[in-house]
Amino acid sequence: DTGVSQNPRHKITKRGQNVTFRCDPISEHNRLYWYRQTLGQGPEFLTYFQNEAQLEKSRLLSDRFSAERPKGSFSTLEIQRTEQGDSAMYLCASSLTLPTGAGNTIYFGEGSWLTVV
Amino acid sequence: AQTVTQSQPEMSVQEAETVTLSCTYDTSESDYYLFWYKQPPSRQMILVIRQEAYKQQNATENRFSVNFQKAAKSFSLKISDSQLGDAAMYFCAYRSFMNYGGSQGNLIFGKGTKLSVKP
Repeated sequence: DTGVSQNPRHKITKRGQNVTFRCDPISEHNRLYWYRQTLGQGPEFLTYFQNEAQLEKSRLLSDRFSAERPKGSFSTLEIQRTEQGDSAMYLCASSLTLPTGAGNTIYFGEGSWLTVV
Repeated sequence: AQTVTQSQPEMSVQEAETVTLSCTYDTSESDYYLFWYKQPPSRQMILVIRQEAYKQQNATENRFSVNFQKAAKSFSLKISDSQLGDAAMYFCAYRSFMNYGGSQGNLIFGKGTKLSVKP
C-alpha cells in the first residue's frame, strides 16, 4: 500500500493526558500536512513540513501541540495536557511540491480519531 | 485571506440521475488550484477532481465534471448517473499555486455538502 498511513486510528484518553499520532506519507512526497476536522466541518489546517522543516503553523496550533518530522520521513503530532476541545479527527496528508510552490494534489490518510473524556 | 463557501449543507439525488453541488470562493490571486474531495462514512478523504485556474477547459473525470467560472469565482461539481457509492460528504477546496505569503500552498476547505443517493 503506497498511500498515507496514520496510526492509531482511534484513541480515547483522559483529560490532561498526552497523546501522540504518527503519519507515514507517500514515500516520494516532500510535503506533509496536518489538519484537524470536527464533526460537520471541513478540515482545518494545522501545520506543514517541507522535508524535515516545519514551515508554517496555524493559529489553531496552541503551545500544547507539537509536530515533528525527523529526517523528512514520518511525522508525529503530540498533544500535551489534552482538553475535551481537542476531540476531533486528525488528518495527515502529503504532496510532491516543487521549490516554487507549484504543486501536485494533496493526498490524505484515513485520519486518527481522538476522544478526550 | 482566501475563503471557500458551500451553501448547500445537504443534497439528495435519485440513483442514475444528475446532481450539481455548488461552491464559491474568494481570492485576490490569479493562479490557484481548485479541488473537490469526497469523504465517505469511512472518513478517508478522496480526490474527485482537480482544476487549474489557468486552464479554461472544465475538468472531467468519468461521471464527474466541473463548471469553473473564474470571473464569478464559482466551481460547481456535476455528478452524472449517480450511484449509491457516491453518497458521501463532498468538500470543495482551494490551494494557492505559488508560495504566496501566508498561504504556502495548504488547502482551504468549505464546510461540505452531504450527498444522499436514493435507490
